[in-house]
Amino acid sequence: GENVEQHPSTLSVQEGDSAVIKCTYSDSASNYFPWYKQELGKGPQLIIDIRSNVGEKKDQRIAVTLNKTAKHFSLHITETQPEDSAVYFCAASKPSARQLTFGSGTQLTVLP
Amino acid sequence: EADIYQTPRYLVIGTGKKITLECSQTMGHDKMYWYQQDPGMELHLIHYSYGVNSTEKGDLSSESTVSRIRTEHFPLTLESARPSHTSQYLCASRPTGTGNTIYFGEGSWLTVV
Repeated sequence: GENVEQHPSTLSVQEGDSAVIKCTYSDSASNYFPWYKQELGKGPQLIIDIRSNVGEKKDQRIAVTLNKTAKHFSLHITETQPEDSAVYFCAASKPSARQLTFGSGTQLTVLP
Repeated sequence: EADIYQTPRYLVIGTGKKITLECSQTMGHDKMYWYQQDPGMELHLIHYSYGVNSTEKGDLSSESTVSRIRTEHFPLTLESARPSHTSQYLCASRPTGTGNTIYFGEGSWLTVV
């Protein structure tokens, strides 16, 4: 089955700096890659996703890049703010899969 | 914005009690899931359903049980709660079709004393 590895497990950045979280996946048939943000005491919320037919997608300060050859994808957050502090999860899914395979999560802390 | 609701949000119960965590979604999604998560840690799939009268166990073994009698409702039951069941339980749903994301509820925090 699919295996998703996520790094780093914890990340601290100064406010205004950029943050990058990376994930690798094992199944080359995977074609859908969402990212979730989970704030303390809440459920994960989708923040951005990318499909295998594109290499990059941006939404304001958030971007995701996908390298299908290397089987890895990354989340980029620019101009970080304290409210970006949360746990971020990546996930992967292939067309026939009935569920997403999640990474182990990254605790991002933005220091004021 | 996803319309998926979990109750109760917080629950403290004694060992040996029976509890049911409720989950409802109003989006008509056929797929529903239960995940168990310790604070800030990995998401562990414990149950899922592909539709009415369909339930399967997930990757993580759990003593809980689920039922899916109606499309919109996917309750999780613990017949006899133990302190090791203390955790956050997240319900989620996903629409039909491939390449679709799943939507999570706010979670139910269970503490067994």
